[in-house]
Amino acid sequence: AQSVTQPDIHITVSEGASLELRCNYSYGATPYLFWYVQSPGQGLQLLLKYFSGDTLVQGIKGFEAEFKRSQSSFNLRKPSVHWSDAAEYFCAVGPTDSWGKLQFGAGTQVVVTP
Amino acid sequence: DVKVTQSSRYLVKRTGEKVFLECVQDMDHENMFWYRQDPGLGLRLIYFSYDVKMKEKGDIPEGYSVSREKKERFSLILESASTNQTSMYLCASSLTGVGYGYTFGSGTRLTVV
Repeated sequence: AQSVTQPDIHITVSEGASLELRCNYSYGATPYLFWYVQSPGQGLQLLLKYFSGDTLVQGIKGFEAEFKRSQSSFNLRKPSVHWSDAAEYFCAVGPTDSWGKLQFGAGTQVVVTP
Repeated sequence: DVKVTQSSRYLVKRTGEKVFLECVQDMDHENMFWYRQDPGLGLRLIYFSYDVKMKEKGDIPEGYSVSREKKERFSLILESASTNQTSMYLCASSLTGVGYGYTFGSGTRLTVV
């Protein structure tokens, strides 16, 4: 069965420290991959996406993600977090033969401490 | 700036009421979606629509219906609201083709009392 897994429900990180959020997927072929961020009380905003090509993808707000085919992973990273990065982060995947339906992970809540 | 607009940020309704949640997009997108978001459960798809008057059930359609009479508007209807439908409801839209991703509205926090 197709699935998207975010193993970490909750992560606490100090301001200025690095952040890595994990995402693993199980699909028949490499799907389209996305990371979204949801600030408190808001909708989801697209951070970055991967289709093909360079496996290191740059996004907005200083985030990047690396696609690793051998591990079926698409982990999100930021070298130095800011207090404003406190939010919930969602990984999403969609099969390349799909008309547009995405499957979302359960989300990772990030707390940033001073 | 392109937008998905949900008509209400917060709603409080009584059990048994018929509830309408409205979503409008100005991007001429073919696809529109309704999700509910609950702590620990992530986003769960209620219904989606890939064209005017076309709709498909998602993962949790029970207790909900939808209407899409115009391309830009997608309505979620709770026929008889119940307390277990208290949740955050998110609308999204997209072009046809999964690679485009979704644009989300800001959400409607519905409380059923």
